[in-house]
Amino acid sequence: AQSVTQLGSHVSVSEGALVLLRCNYSSSVPPYLFWYVQYPNQGLQLLLKYTTGATLVKGINGFEAEFKKSETSFHLTKPSAHMSDAAEYFCAVILMMDSSYKLIFGSGTRLLVRP
Amino acid sequence: EPEVTQTPSHQVTQMGQEVILRCVPISNHLYFYWYRQILGQKVEFLVSFYNNEISEKSEIFDDQFSVERPDGSNFTLKIRSTKLEDSAMYFCASRGDSGRSYEQYFGPGTRLTVT
Repeated sequence: AQSVTQLGSHVSVSEGALVLLRCNYSSSVPPYLFWYVQYPNQGLQLLLKYTTGATLVKGINGFEAEFKKSETSFHLTKPSAHMSDAAEYFCAVILMMDSSYKLIFGSGTRLLVRP
Repeated sequence: EPEVTQTPSHQVTQMGQEVILRCVPISNHLYFYWYRQILGQKVEFLVSFYNNEISEKSEIFDDQFSVERPDGSNFTLKIRSTKLEDSAMYFCASRGDSGRSYEQYFGPGTRLTVT
């Protein structure tokens, strides 16, 4: 069965520190991969996506992620955390064989940024 | 920038009552989705809709649920007889059909509280 695993329901970093949010997927075919961010009481905003091409993708707000097929991973990073990055982050996949192109989400990681 | 809108932002209803959640997708999009997020849990796919019919539905989407696109702009989710466990945030999303655009745009959500 296809699934997305996000390691760590909560990640806490100091302001200015590296942010690393982990995402692994399980799929028999190459997926399309996404990271969404959800600020308190708001909807889901796309941070970045990987479909084809360059495996290192850059998104909004200084975030980037690298697709590593051998590790079935798509970890999200940001060199220097800002207080405004505090939010919930969801990794999601779309399976190419899925005609509806529905998103399958991970359980989310709440990022806390300490001053 | 075009956006997906949802109304109401918060709906409180009694168990057994019918509710209709409304969404206005981005105007030139062709694929429409409903997802839900129970408090503290992951975002789950409910249903996808294309060409005026359901293209896929999850196990959650039982006979109590229905979707409709009554006119050229609205996309609705109806729950016929709400249960306590239907309390959740419901997100609408839409997707275009330009080439290989797999990105889904999410609305801000409707928080449904069933008492």
